[in-house]
Amino acid sequence: DAGVIQSPRHEVTEMGQEVTLRCKLISGHNSLFWYRQTMMRGLELLIYFNNNVPIDDSGMPEDRFSAKMPNASFSTLKIQPSEPRDSAVYFCASSFLRAGANVLTFGAGSRLTVL
Amino acid sequence: AQKITQTQPGMFVQEKEAVTLDCTYDTSDQSYGLFWYKQPSSGEMIFLIYQGSYDEQNATEGRYSLNFQKARKSANLVISASQLGDSAMYFCAMRDPPRGDKIIFGKGTRLHILP
Repeated sequence: DAGVIQSPRHEVTEMGQEVTLRCKLISGHNSLFWYRQTMMRGLELLIYFNNNVPIDDSGMPEDRFSAKMPNASFSTLKIQPSEPRDSAVYFCASSFLRAGANVLTFGAGSRLTVL
Repeated sequence: AQKITQTQPGMFVQEKEAVTLDCTYDTSDQSYGLFWYKQPSSGEMIFLIYQGSYDEQNATEGRYSLNFQKARKSANLVISASQLGDSAMYFCAMRDPPRGDKIIFGKGTRLHILP
């Protein structure tokens, strides 16, 4: 089990450019969460999916952000156009949704810097 | 609305002492779950312990225990016999099944273990 895999690990881009962050879930997991971490705001939940369906995207900051799950094992988070205030570490996390504990397994994160 | 509060931004503790990290939560639901995660300086998120709202016993995992006081809506993490490797950021989180299993995090407490 390779765990949750995120790419790229680091991205530096210029304001206005499109950014795509990728996440591969653990095999058998059916819930996927995207979080953003900054010093000021901590870990913010952006969006989460259950069985490929977006359940709550109220944390997505604005229309520049979009997330998709084209299949059960893969998700993307896209920012277009990017702005300096989007600089953060973006984590995806997956779990197997069931009664009881729904422990999240996190990826290593994607550190985004927008100049 | 759901809310997780961690009131200690930072703590300094002598090695081998016990540590209590505070966490209070707010929810109107009866069924929920509480988690603690550790984030070392390397950045990964590590699951430590889980407590369900209907669990009568406090959860324990090795040196970690969760002091669950439902009436007070608190879920403090206790680390016994602290070690230098416990120096990290610690996050309390809550899962809210009636709200689609949303999982939100507190702002964290940075723990420094002193030799």
